[in-house]
Amino acid sequence: SQTIHQWPATLVQPVGSPLSLECTVEGTSNPNLYWYRQAAGRGLQLLFYSVGIGQISSEVPQNLSASRPQDRQFILSSKKLLLSDSGFYLCAWSYGDGSNQPQHFGDGTRLSIL
Amino acid sequence: TQLLEQSPQFLSIQEGENLTVYCNSSSVFSSLQWYRQEPGEGPVLLVTVVTGGEVKKLKRLTFQFGDARKDSSLHITAAQPGDTGLYLCAGTSGTYKYIFGTGTRLKVLA
Repeated sequence: SQTIHQWPATLVQPVGSPLSLECTVEGTSNPNLYWYRQAAGRGLQLLFYSVGIGQISSEVPQNLSASRPQDRQFILSSKKLLLSDSGFYLCAWSYGDGSNQPQHFGDGTRLSIL
Repeated sequence: TQLLEQSPQFLSIQEGENLTVYCNSSSVFSSLQWYRQEPGEGPVLLVTVVTGGEVKKLKRLTFQFGDARKDSSLHITAAQPGDTGLYLCAGTSGTYKYIFGTGTRLKVLA
């Protein structure tokens, strides 16, 4: 069966520090991978998605970036964090072009910027 | 830009009551999904509806996709405290992207 892992579960970082969040998927090959950010009790904002190694689509202009160095690894990064980067970050995977296929989510990373 | 608006945003009801959550858009979707999310966890899929007018039942939960595939509803019969959570709808259009709704936070009081 497929599993998705995100780490760390919680992270407290000072403003201006770098960021690296990692997501890996097991038990599947060539998945579509996604990074979302969620404000408290609200919907999910799509940040990046990738349909293959090295292929990254950005949805929201910001100081974050994403990379996919391996088929089942997706990394969210920042060189300098802002206060507004605080939030709950979720990684997800799916198959196909998004029609009718469900998304499978990790347990998220709670990021607090001080 | 495709948007999905959910209503109500918050709902607090007593155990045993019925409720309906709405998910509306001006855009047509090829499918619509409903997820439930617990605090500190990722959303978990409840159902996918793909045909206009389709109705699916999952125990006490009934999901309907609008005839024009622009909206959907989730009806819960005899709500229980275990139904408490954040309910999210998400639309897909075959572009790899999932458009998530604004969310409905449900609290069922014992």
